[in-house]
Amino acid sequence: QSALTQPASVSGSPGQSISISCSGTSSDIGTSYKVVSWYQYHPGKAPKMMIYEGSIRPSGISNRFSGSKSGNTASLTISGLQAEDEADYYCCSYTTNRTWVFGGGTKLTVL
Amino acid sequence: EVQLVQSGAEVKKSGESLKISCKGSGYKFSTYWIGWVRQVPGKGVEWMGVIYPGDSDTRYSPSFQGQVTISADKSISTAYLQLSSLKASDAGMYYCVRRWGDYYFDSWGQGTLVTVSS
Repeated sequence: QSALTQPASVSGSPGQSISISCSGTSSDIGTSYKVVSWYQYHPGKAPKMMIYEGSIRPSGISNRFSGSKSGNTASLTISGLQAEDEADYYCCSYTTNRTWVFGGGTKLTVL
Repeated sequence: EVQLVQSGAEVKKSGESLKISCKGSGYKFSTYWIGWVRQVPGKGVEWMGVIYPGDSDTRYSPSFQGQVTISADKSISTAYLQLSSLKASDAGMYYCVRRWGDYYFDSWGQGTLVTVSS
C-alpha cells in the first residue's frame, strides 16, 4: 500500500486560508468519505486528531478547520490562519485491505 | 481522561532487539484496539499494526509483517511493540494510538524515539 500523497509544504499569512490536499486511490480515500482523518503534529507534543469521517471536527477543535473529499482526493482547509496552526499535518485513510495508510505529511508555515 | 503513556527513548545497536510499552488509562483498555505507527522525518508516518487487547487479535501492515511483534497484557492495560534484529532504517519515533470508531485514532502516546547505531 503506497503512502497517500501530500504536498511537502504550504504556507500562508495570518488570517489567510490554506488547503492541504491528500491524494489516494480507489482502494482507500476513494472508498468513502468516512475513512479519512487528519492529524496535527506539533514537535514535542502528542499528535492530535483534527478531522474524522472526512469532515467532522472532534470536540474542542476550532471550526477554522474543515475537511472535504472529491473522488480519490481529500483536503484539509484551515481558515483564519493563526501562528499556533504552524505544524505538520498528516492525512490518513482506512483501506479495502483492512489496513491504514498515512500521507507523507505537510509542513504548514505561518508567515 | 484517556491517556497512553509510552516507555522512554531507546538507543540500540544494529542487530539488537527492542520492546516498547504503551500503558493505557482513563478507559476500559481491553475494549479498544491499540495501534502502532512510526514517524520518520522525510518519510511521513507508517502504520505498523493493531491489536485488540480483549482477545489479542492482531493485524499487521504487509510492510511490517514478520519484522515486528505486537502484543498486549490486558491485566495491566499495556500494549507492546517488539522489534528484533534492528537496522539503521528502524530508527524513528514510534507512537501507540487508540483506535476509535471504525477508522480513526483519537488518542496518541507521547512517542518513543528509537536510535539505532552501527
